[in-house]
Amino acid sequence: QKEVEQDPGPLSVPEGAIVSLNCTYSNSAFQYFMWYRQYSRKGPELLMYTYSSGNKEDGRFTAQVDKSSKYISLFIRDSQPSDSATYLCASRLTGGGNKLTFGTGTQLKVEL
Amino acid sequence: DTGVSQDPRHKITKRGQNVTFRCDPISEHNRLYWYRQTLGQGPEFLTYFQNEAQLEKSRLLSDRFSAERPKGSFSTLEIQRTEQGDSAMYLCASSSGNEQFFGPGTRLTVL
Repeated sequence: QKEVEQDPGPLSVPEGAIVSLNCTYSNSAFQYFMWYRQYSRKGPELLMYTYSSGNKEDGRFTAQVDKSSKYISLFIRDSQPSDSATYLCASRLTGGGNKLTFGTGTQLKVEL
Repeated sequence: DTGVSQDPRHKITKRGQNVTFRCDPISEHNRLYWYRQTLGQGPEFLTYFQNEAQLEKSRLLSDRFSAERPKGSFSTLEIQRTEQGDSAMYLCASSSGNEQFFGPGTRLTVL
């Protein structure tokens, strides 16, 4: 079993829809949680990072962490075709070099 | 552009050849990471440096792989005697705190 699980999709939504992307993790020692966006054949781009449980909002993006259920979510409001990409969740411990453990990524397509 | 840069962007090589990739981190970032990403998967951690010291290596990093960061600035990743299974995107990231910023990656194809 992978430490971070993510549905690979693909997920297809109409423009303007609210998108919900989710991950689960198994290591209860994970304290930091990130969402990266990756366009085809490019490097991952950091979107959001949160520490421990709670919500964090940045523009159209909201990241949510529920440590009691080991569940990580990213919500995208008013989705745009330019949001079409693969979204990767990642987690890490406190200390230990800060290496990231990634999910497989969810491929999102926002259609006109 | 002051982001993480990687060179080359693409490399095609024949099985058995040696290859070397370079990563230039964001200036003054003391931590540098290498990850490997295969198609349809998320990046997997390979190794990381704090300044010039290599502090952790994944078991994914076989004896054919070696990484250096000689002056605590740029880093190189060398793969000796490449195998077809080494075909992947090799990603470099740098950090000075909690956030890691990735470069564009080097895509390796081993024929």
